[in-house]
Amino acid sequence: DTEVTQTPKHLVMGMTNKKSLKCEQHMGHRAMYWYKQKAKKPPELMFVYSYEKLSINESVPSRFSPECPNSSLLNLHLHALQPEDSALYLCASKPLFQVQATDTQYFGPGTRLTVL
Amino acid sequence: AQSVSQHNHHVILSEAASLELGCNYSYGGTVNLFWYVQYPGQHLQLLLKYFSGDPLVKGIKGFEAEFIKSKFSFNLRKPSVQWSDTAEYFCAVKGDYGQNFVFGPGTRLSVLP
Repeated sequence: DTEVTQTPKHLVMGMTNKKSLKCEQHMGHRAMYWYKQKAKKPPELMFVYSYEKLSINESVPSRFSPECPNSSLLNLHLHALQPEDSALYLCASKPLFQVQATDTQYFGPGTRLTVL
Repeated sequence: AQSVSQHNHHVILSEAASLELGCNYSYGGTVNLFWYVQYPGQHLQLLLKYFSGDPLVKGIKGFEAEFIKSKFSFNLRKPSVQWSDTAEYFCAVKGDYGQNFVFGPGTRLSVLP
């Protein structure tokens, strides 16, 4: 199983709403990532979790709150978002082994978020 | 800090034409290099990757890329493109240590039937 799943596929929310994005993988990967991707642009790194601990936060506003409850799950909690936060949110995972051949990210299909 | 540049914003080719997409990176140490493809409405898929050894790497769907260390380049090639190759192509770099991948701005490829 080389699949990263994300739910929901689409999400529309108002600026006062609280919602969560979910990402799941069962490949035993211990590094998990959240990216934000605007149309026709490359993915921008938001957060990295290594062994379920936050290891990289790319100065993301506090209205985005990541959570890694276990080695298979990664959540992104959203609160008081702005319309400019509308984007495709991608989850990725990769092994934390030192074997180079496995040092590859696998991406989920993304959640298309629209903030009204 | 790592950075990645891609030479072309948008490339338009006819079917059966040859393709070369440029990628240059900036990083002071050993790098791992990747090409990802994103078909319209789909998620990112790995085309190929380079870690070490033979600088000419072959990937899926007939793509290949050549790592030229002296030029800090990792250009993607395909001898004969198909309409189904229409997509966004991203070059990415990761340092040998750390977990951070840096993506280039992407090149949109449009193949005309």
